[in-house]
Amino acid sequence: NAGVTQTPKFQVLKTGQSMTLQCAQDMNHNSMYWYRQDPGMGLRLIYYSASEGTTDKGEVPNGYNVSRLNKREFSLRLESAAPSQTSVYFCASGDSLLSGNTIYFGEGSWLTVV
Amino acid sequence: AQSVSQHNHHVILSEAASLELGCNYSYGGTVNLFWYVQYPGQHLQLLLKYFSGDPLVKGIKGFEAEFIKSRFSFNLRKPSVQWSDTAEYFCAVLSGGSYIPTFGRGTSLIVHP
Repeated sequence: NAGVTQTPKFQVLKTGQSMTLQCAQDMNHNSMYWYRQDPGMGLRLIYYSASEGTTDKGEVPNGYNVSRLNKREFSLRLESAAPSQTSVYFCASGDSLLSGNTIYFGEGSWLTVV
Repeated sequence: AQSVSQHNHHVILSEAASLELGCNYSYGGTVNLFWYVQYPGQHLQLLLKYFSGDPLVKGIKGFEAEFIKSRFSFNLRKPSVQWSDTAEYFCAVLSGGSYIPTFGRGTSLIVHP
């Protein structure tokens, strides 16, 4: 029962490098989300996708791009990493019908930009 | 826009003490309410949720929460905490018609054995 799977779990990047965080869910949920979590800041929404083929900016989208590749997969890309993007990233999915609006989180990706 | 306040940022308790964590939200319409728990180094897991019906909701591990509509509150309670309850707790609110939950900033709970 995988739920929401994120890769990689840990990554160290140099400033200016690019990388993509992968996320896949096997619950057939329509909505998917990317959050970042920083100490004292709680969870902040980066981007979300209400359904396959749509993406929208959240609270802190600058420096990120996303792709909803299909219903299962929602990737987050850092085009030119900056130290301010050092954070823990969580992917999540949910569905009003299938999960009663409850969202389920992946296990997180710890990213350090040096 | 919806906002969620968790007034207790850090709580330190001894085992067997009672716990109450506050959560207040701003939007007055139909809401779905959630409490999530994040154990050290882990992801957020659902503790309990309220959609409708009985405003006293029971969740996993002996936690419960009470929805008080007139106070825009959804406080989390546990009669007797254990060391294993050490974690960060997040309240989340989903306003009617939205699929983007608003999270509070979290409350860090430390339980001393």
